[in-house]
Amino acid sequence: ETGVTQSPTHLIKTRGQQVTLRCSSQSGHNTVSWYQQALGQGPQFIFQYYREEENGRGNFPPRFSGLQFPNYSSELNVNALELDDSALYLCASSPVELNTEAFFGQGTRLTVV
Amino acid sequence: DQQVKQNSPSLSVQEGRISILNCDYTNSMFDYFLWYKKYPAEGPTFLISISSIKDKNEDGRFTVFLNKSAKHLSLHIVPSQPGDSAVYFCAAMNNAGNMLTFGGGTRLMVKP
Repeated sequence: ETGVTQSPTHLIKTRGQQVTLRCSSQSGHNTVSWYQQALGQGPQFIFQYYREEENGRGNFPPRFSGLQFPNYSSELNVNALELDDSALYLCASSPVELNTEAFFGQGTRLTVV
Repeated sequence: DQQVKQNSPSLSVQEGRISILNCDYTNSMFDYFLWYKKYPAEGPTFLISISSIKDKNEDGRFTVFLNKSAKHLSLHIVPSQPGDSAVYFCAAMNNAGNMLTFGGGTRLMVKP
């Protein structure tokens, strides 16, 4: 059984650009959540997808968007990157829409310059 | 407004002694609490959880205590081991069950 995998592991982008981060959920998991972890802080909830539909959103602007595919993998897209978007982006998958069994990937470190 | 707070950014403990990590929350609607451990360059790993209907949950060396009236939970690790050195996050789940709110983390260092 494979765990949650995220790609790429590191990324450097220029302010104003767009970025797409990818997440493959753990086998059998149909729910994916995305979190942003700024340096020295705890992860902050961005949004969750369940069966390809958004199932809750945190306090992030619309330029943060996502997709979930039929195989339950997911993408996080960020448009018009800002310097403050520099952070570790974590993906977590769970077998149902409850996060009590969420398993996290290793994250993608995004640096915006 | 931080709804989940871990007021100690770091904690140093001798191997074999007890580690106590604390967490406070403000939202009385939270009904499930979790602790995660995070090593550098890895994602958070689930450690232990507790439902709001309980006041204690134990799993091996790890025990979580919940005091609902004080809106406070703590994680006890006994005995502490050097491999426990990591950043520990407490998290609270909303009653819709779709969002975790994390504290800022406590870095635990267990000295041999």
